[in-house]
Amino acid sequence: DTGVSQDPRHKITKRGQNVTFRCDPISEHNRLYWYRQTLGQGPEFLTYFQNEAQLEKSRLLSDRFSAERPKGSFSTLEIQRTEQGDSAMYLCASSLGGSNEKLFFGSGTQLSVL
Amino acid sequence: AQSVTQPDIHITVSEGASLELRCNYSYGATPYLFWYVQSPGQGLQLLLKYFSGDTLVQGIKGFEAEFKRSQSSFNLRKPSVHWSDAAEYFCAVVPYSGAGSYQLTFGKGTKLSVIP
Repeated sequence: DTGVSQDPRHKITKRGQNVTFRCDPISEHNRLYWYRQTLGQGPEFLTYFQNEAQLEKSRLLSDRFSAERPKGSFSTLEIQRTEQGDSAMYLCASSLGGSNEKLFFGSGTQLSVL
Repeated sequence: AQSVTQPDIHITVSEGASLELRCNYSYGATPYLFWYVQSPGQGLQLLLKYFSGDTLVQGIKGFEAEFKRSQSSFNLRKPSVHWSDAAEYFCAVVPYSGAGSYQLTFGKGTKLSVIP
C-alpha cells in the first residue's frame, strides 16, 4: 500500500491556459473521487469513478472541467481556459467500496491561476 | 441537502489539556458521520466514523466522538492533547452507503493550535 499519489504537487498557470492533473490510486481500489478545497473551506465533491466509468458529477464541475479514468487505474483531471476562481487544492481519493467504505486521500495538487 | 457546521474556526489548547471539537449536521435521516484530520502538506486522514450502533466511537490517535441524535451533533474529543495533534480537523457526513458513491459533505474545518 503506497498510498494515493497526485502529480504535480503544485501548479502555477496563467489565466486562460489548460492544466492537467494526475491521480494514481491505491492499487486494486476500484473507486476514485476528485474533490476541490479552497482556502478556509472543507473539500467539495467534484466527481466519482467506479472503475473506468464516471458515474457522478457535481454541478461544481463546469464544462471546462473534464475527468477521465481510461483503464480503471489512474485518473486525470483537466481544466480548460483556467480562471482565477479555479485556484484551489485538488484532492483525489480512492477506495475499495462496499458497506464499510473508507476513502484514502492523496496530498493534493495546489493550483494557482495568475 | 445535507450540511455540516463546525462552529469553531480556530481553537488553541495547552499540551496535556482535554479537547472537544464541535460538529453539527443537518439531514433528514441519520447520516454516516466522519472526522478527518489534515496536516499541512498532507492529505486527509480518517480519524473515526459512525455508521450505526454504539454512539461512542473510538478512533485512531486516542480520539473519540459521540453521536447525539437529539442534538444532531458528532463532537470529537481527546482527553489529553499532544503537540503533534496541531492540525485542521474536518467533520463530514454522507447520506448513503453501500452500492453508491461516498459524496462526503465536509464542514469548513477547525484549526487546532497546541501550546507547549
